[in-house]
Amino acid sequence: GAVVSQHPSWVICKSGTSVKIECRSLDFQATTMFWYRQFPKQSLMLMATSNEGSKATYEQGVEKDKFLINHASLTLSTLTVTSAHPEDSSFYICSARAPPTRYSGNTIYFGEGSWLTVV
Amino acid sequence: DAKTTQPTSMDCAEGRAANLPCNHSTISGNEYVYWYRQIHSQGPQYIIHGLKNNETNEMASLIITEDRKSSTLILPHATLRDTAVYYCIVRVAKTSYDKVIFGPGTSLSVIP
Repeated sequence: GAVVSQHPSWVICKSGTSVKIECRSLDFQATTMFWYRQFPKQSLMLMATSNEGSKATYEQGVEKDKFLINHASLTLSTLTVTSAHPEDSSFYICSARAPPTRYSGNTIYFGEGSWLTVV
Repeated sequence: DAKTTQPTSMDCAEGRAANLPCNHSTISGNEYVYWYRQIHSQGPQYIIHGLKNNETNEMASLIITEDRKSSTLILPHATLRDTAVYYCIVRVAKTSYDKVIFGPGTSLSVIP
């Protein structure tokens, strides 16, 4: 199936600093990518929808100035957690929508996830 | 997108078929049923999807009832590596504005 890659897989940063997570669709062009966060023993929570060349659409309750999303190309979206605090520590997951095919809808594929720990 | 309901957890003996049910009684005619699974500390993995016909691939089979209000994901010969949380999702897959919203899913434990 299609491949979506995230980098880094895990990162530790100091409180007050910013950290960037990259999401790449390796074998298809993705006009739309999504960012999720997941706390232990909970389901994935959608943070925002990222459309190539336009501003991201954030879900209710997600601070857009804190979680900066850039989707500058059809294969790359980035999530920057600004002024990180320990409560931002979480598992961040991206996904990308593959182009539609004749026989099925446009499936959404997920990256491996990135663990963020803020100390 | 329509909501789905799934059992919180299930057990399955290794080597037996695992049948995971999903109810989506408010599904619309143009919404697909998608299944993903998430193994601990990994991103969700796409398994299979369908509209109204039953589907099969190398991972699983998807059985959708005729009225499309429920479906069952079948793992024909469960292994320990199939232990994961399984998510059933419905979405209008051919628009540019849909998004995947996750419920709590079913935690499947495959037991030796």
